[in-house]
Amino acid sequence: NAGVTQTPKFQVLKTGQSMTLQCAQDMNHNSMYWYRQDPGMGLRLIYYSASEGTTDKGEVPNGYNVSRLNKREFSLRLESAAPSQTSVYFCASRFGASGGNTIYFGEGSWLTVV
Amino acid sequence: ELKVEQNPLFLSMQEGKNYTIYCNYSTTSDRLYWYRQDPGKSLESLFVLLSNGAVKQEGRLMASLDTKARLSTLHITAAVHDLSATYFCAVDRGVNNNDMRFGAGTRLTVKP
Repeated sequence: NAGVTQTPKFQVLKTGQSMTLQCAQDMNHNSMYWYRQDPGMGLRLIYYSASEGTTDKGEVPNGYNVSRLNKREFSLRLESAAPSQTSVYFCASRFGASGGNTIYFGEGSWLTVV
Repeated sequence: ELKVEQNPLFLSMQEGKNYTIYCNYSTTSDRLYWYRQDPGKSLESLFVLLSNGAVKQEGRLMASLDTKARLSTLHITAAVHDLSATYFCAVDRGVNNNDMRFGAGTRLTVKP
């Protein structure tokens, strides 16, 4: 049971470098999400995609871009990494909000920007 | 702007004791979620509460929702060490209620 798969699991970047975090789900979910987790701040929503073909900003979108490549895949791109983007990134998905569907999370990607 | 506030943020308790974690939110949402996270791990779903007065129980954990007070509680009964984890509440918001916002989390430590 793959569920939500995100890569890479660990990455170290230098300030100014770019990178893309990949995420794929095999549960036929409509909605996908990117969160970042920092100590003491819970999870903060970066971007989400309610359905294939749409993306929306969350709480902390600055410095990030996303692409909903198809129904399965939702990538997060850091164009010019900054130390403030050092964090744990979680991709997540669910069928949709109606009916109160819970979100399923990937295992997380630990990103360090030096 | 939606706020989801949990308290306490840190909770240290002894095995066998009872305690309650509180989650207040600022939007008129009737969908409240509880998740658990173990250190270095991802989040797993515990409860989904979908209406005023909803109550759900699983083992030593019981969650409830009061939409009028915009308050959810997670009650721990006779805590055991295995319950040590961080607990998050989350609320749906937005025009289509499709983005989910989380509280800061409550780090629970259960001591023998």
